[in-house]
Amino acid sequence: DAKTTQPPSMDCAEGRAANLPCNHSTISGNEYVYWYRQIHSQGPQYIIHGLKNNETNEMASLIITEDRKSSTLILPHATLRDTAVYYCIVRAERYRDDKIIFGKGTRLHILP
Amino acid sequence: EAGVAQSPRYKIIEKRQSVAFWCNPISGHATLYWYQQILGQGPKLLIQFQNNGVVDDSQLPKDRFSAERLKGVDSTLKIQPAKLEDSAVYLCASSTGPNTEAFFGQGTRLTVV
Repeated sequence: DAKTTQPPSMDCAEGRAANLPCNHSTISGNEYVYWYRQIHSQGPQYIIHGLKNNETNEMASLIITEDRKSSTLILPHATLRDTAVYYCIVRAERYRDDKIIFGKGTRLHILP
Repeated sequence: EAGVAQSPRYKIIEKRQSVAFWCNPISGHATLYWYQQILGQGPKLLIQFQNNGVVDDSQLPKDRFSAERLKGVDSTLKIQPAKLEDSAVYLCASSTGPNTEAFFGQGTRLTVV
């Protein structure tokens, strides 16, 4: 079962920052937080991941709380092409425990 | 860099028939995953390979589903016999190893009628 909880859907105006929350209150010390998104009729696409420090790349920023029980994915300037289902996933570091288990995700609608 | 290739893209079969899906992962990727995604749900992990060995197949319905990864490269997923509830998109993904970015193919959309 997925170890994360996300809101089922969110709306965001085009050009504004989209902030997608994720709860992972049972995360273990060796588990990473990963984010993927799935645009309609495509396979999931990796966005970003982190352990405890905040991370930023060309697509998004990831903010992880100090207790690591929740995180927020930030798309700084959302465009219509960011409309997708966003999945927050917890992954273990050791390969025998490393499985990519998807939950239901958050369906993000970018409004023109 | 070429992505994960899957074929066919679409398949329609009658119930009780058999079907096979093929996946060619990114070159050098040791880990390969097969997922089933039913409409409106997140992808469900069916089986995970590390090279040509199975790491996890706990969610694979072994009475009708089988998968192999010969020589640790390409993989095939087979369903025999198919049921109506097997209608879904079957996704293949690969990664270089544990806790690394996984790349997904476009998927095969299976319709069982």
